[in-house]
Amino acid sequence: DAGVTQSPTHLIKTRGQHVTLRCSPISGHKSVSWYQQVLGQGPQFIFQYYEKEERGRGNFPDRFSARQFPNYSSELNVNALLLGDSALYLCASSRVYSGDYNEQFFGPGTRLTVL
Amino acid sequence: AQSVAQPEDQVNVAEGNPLTVKCTYSVSGNPYLFWYVQYPNRGLQFLLKYITGDNLVKGSYGFEAEFNKSQTSFHLKKPSALVSDSALYFCALFGAGSYQLTFGKGTKLSVIP
Repeated sequence: DAGVTQSPTHLIKTRGQHVTLRCSPISGHKSVSWYQQVLGQGPQFIFQYYEKEERGRGNFPDRFSARQFPNYSSELNVNALLLGDSALYLCASSRVYSGDYNEQFFGPGTRLTVL
Repeated sequence: AQSVAQPEDQVNVAEGNPLTVKCTYSVSGNPYLFWYVQYPNRGLQFLLKYITGDNLVKGSYGFEAEFNKSQTSFHLKKPSALVSDSALYFCALFGAGSYQLTFGKGTKLSVIP
C-alpha cells in the first residue's frame, strides 16, 4: 500500500510570494495534519482536517491556510512568504482525528526555502 | 498545556552497547505517547506507541520504551545498538481528546562502530 505522499519535494520561493503544498493520505485515512519543522527543532502542529473540516489549528498566523478535498487529499497554502517560513513541511494522515487510534503516519515532507 | 522534553541533544553509544534516549512529558490526564525516527532528508517513521496497558512497549527494529507514570517519562531503549540506528529521534504526545501531536526537540543518536 502507498504511504503518505507529498508534492513537491523541494521548492524555492522569494519573500512575499505564495506557495501551495499538496498531500495525499494513506488510502482509508480521513484525517490529514500539517506540521512545520524548522531546522534543529521538532515538528510544530499547524492544522488538522477531518472529513473536510478544520478540527484544529496551531499557533500560526493567518497567512497559513489549508483545505481538504472530497478524496481526503489536502493543500497547505502560505501567503506573503517570510524568510522564517523556510522549513520542512510534513503531512501526516490518520484514520480518525482523536482518541486511542489517532496514530499518525508521516509523508517525506516538502522542503521550502524562502530567499 | 501539554509538553515534551528530550533533555539530551545528542547521545553517543558504541555499536553493540545498549542505548537509551530520554523523554519526559507533561499533560493533563492520560497521555498517548509515541517515538518517531527521522533519517536525513526524510519524513518521520513511527517506531512505537503507548496507549494503555503494559508499561513496556515493544516496537519496530528492536526498539522498546518504558512508560513510567510516576516519573512522567517514556524512555526509548534498545539492548544492542547498530550503526544504522544513527538518526534523529523524536518523542511525541497526544493528550486525551487532543488532536494535536506535540513533539520534543529531538535527540541525535550516533552509534560509533
